[in-house]
Amino acid sequence: QKEVEQDPGPLSVPEGAIVSLNCTYSNSAFQYFMWYRQYSRKGPELLMYTYSSGNKEDGRFTAQVDKSSKYISLFIRDSQPSDSATYLCAMRVDNAGNMLTFGGGTRLMVKP
Amino acid sequence: DGGITQSPKYLFRKEGQNVTLSCEQNLNHDAMYWYRQDPGQGLRLIYYSQIVNDFQKGDIAEGYSVSREKKESFPLTVTSAQKNPTAFYLCASSIRGQGFSNQPQHFGDGTRLSIL
Repeated sequence: QKEVEQDPGPLSVPEGAIVSLNCTYSNSAFQYFMWYRQYSRKGPELLMYTYSSGNKEDGRFTAQVDKSSKYISLFIRDSQPSDSATYLCAMRVDNAGNMLTFGGGTRLMVKP
Repeated sequence: DGGITQSPKYLFRKEGQNVTLSCEQNLNHDAMYWYRQDPGQGLRLIYYSQIVNDFQKGDIAEGYSVSREKKESFPLTVTSAQKNPTAFYLCASSIRGQGFSNQPQHFGDGTRLSIL
């Protein structure tokens, strides 16, 4: 079993829909959680960075962490065709090493 | 603009050949990382360096080598010992710190390596 699980998709939604992307993990020591967006043939771009449990909002994006369930989510409101990309979750423990463990990514397609 | 530059974008390797992928950053970051990305898989760590003249193996270091002679540069060599080198290679960098100040990694736009 992988340490971080993510449904590969593809997830196809109409423009304007609310999108929910999720990751589950097995290591209860993870404390820092990130969501990256990766366009085709490009490097991942950091979207959200959160610590421990709770919600964080940034524009149309909301990151949610439920440590008790070992489950994190990224919500995208009013989705746009430009949101079509692969979304990677990443997480790490609280030490100085800054080593990340990544999910396999979910491919999202937003249709006009 | 500050960022991470990877070159070349596309690279082809012949059998028995070593090839070197370049990664340069002007973000003044101490830490740098190399990842490999295969279709449908997450990023896997090859090597990382927290400081100049020091580097550590990641999860899949076999068949790869690195150097860190300058803060700005962290080249990756894919040796002939790496039998399945076809992949998308990503370089990243980050500030070193403690706790939440240990900032997330920022990535370059990758090099796609293929076998001839």
